[in-house]
Amino acid sequence: DVKVTQSSRYLVKRTGEKVFLECVQDMDHENMFWYRQDPGLGLRLIYFSYDVKMKEKGDIPEGYSVSREKKERFSLILESASTNQTSMYLCASSRSGPNEKLFFGSGTQLSVL
Amino acid sequence: AQSVTQLDSQVPVFEEAPVELRCNYSSSVSVYLFWYVQYPNQGLQLLLKYLSGSTLVESINGFEAEFNKSQTSFHLRKPSVHISDTAEYFCAVSEGKGYNKLIFGAGTRLAVHP
Repeated sequence: DVKVTQSSRYLVKRTGEKVFLECVQDMDHENMFWYRQDPGLGLRLIYFSYDVKMKEKGDIPEGYSVSREKKERFSLILESASTNQTSMYLCASSRSGPNEKLFFGSGTQLSVL
Repeated sequence: AQSVTQLDSQVPVFEEAPVELRCNYSSSVSVYLFWYVQYPNQGLQLLLKYLSGSTLVESINGFEAEFNKSQTSFHLRKPSVHISDTAEYFCAVSEGKGYNKLIFGAGTRLAVHP
């Protein structure tokens, strides 16, 4: 089975800190995604990557950046964390092509105080 | 632009009762539809999907969903729920091109009570 691993289950940071969320997948998937999940809003796409060093903005990229230096690893970066970035962050991966199944990690609950 | 509306944020139901979780979408092009499920403290996993062909699709654990193009709906149903079906259910839509981008609904929390 595909495994998508997010480095932390819970994270607490202070306003203004630089925050790194790490995601690793072990099935050689081309596509990787970062979503944030908020009650009543569902999942919203922040960024995605379709190849090493390639990235595309999702629906809510403001305040975030990403890095994909290796195929298996996709990092989400909050350059200067703010309280409105407190959320559950979900990483996902899939094979290339439309309609491929997404495999999700268990999520990182980030609290910015 | 595509969007997905899940009409119920929470659905409480007794064990062995039938359930329907409603999903409507809007899109100007042909779409592909998905239901994902998130069990407590777990990541989302695919429950079922409609790509083409028969408008009724089934999952391995007894859920089914019917694609209705005229009503732009993809409601999820199960004739008899179990306690273990307690989870949050997300409807999602894709245009089926490009990089596999999905647009998700807000989710419906299904609570099955004994």
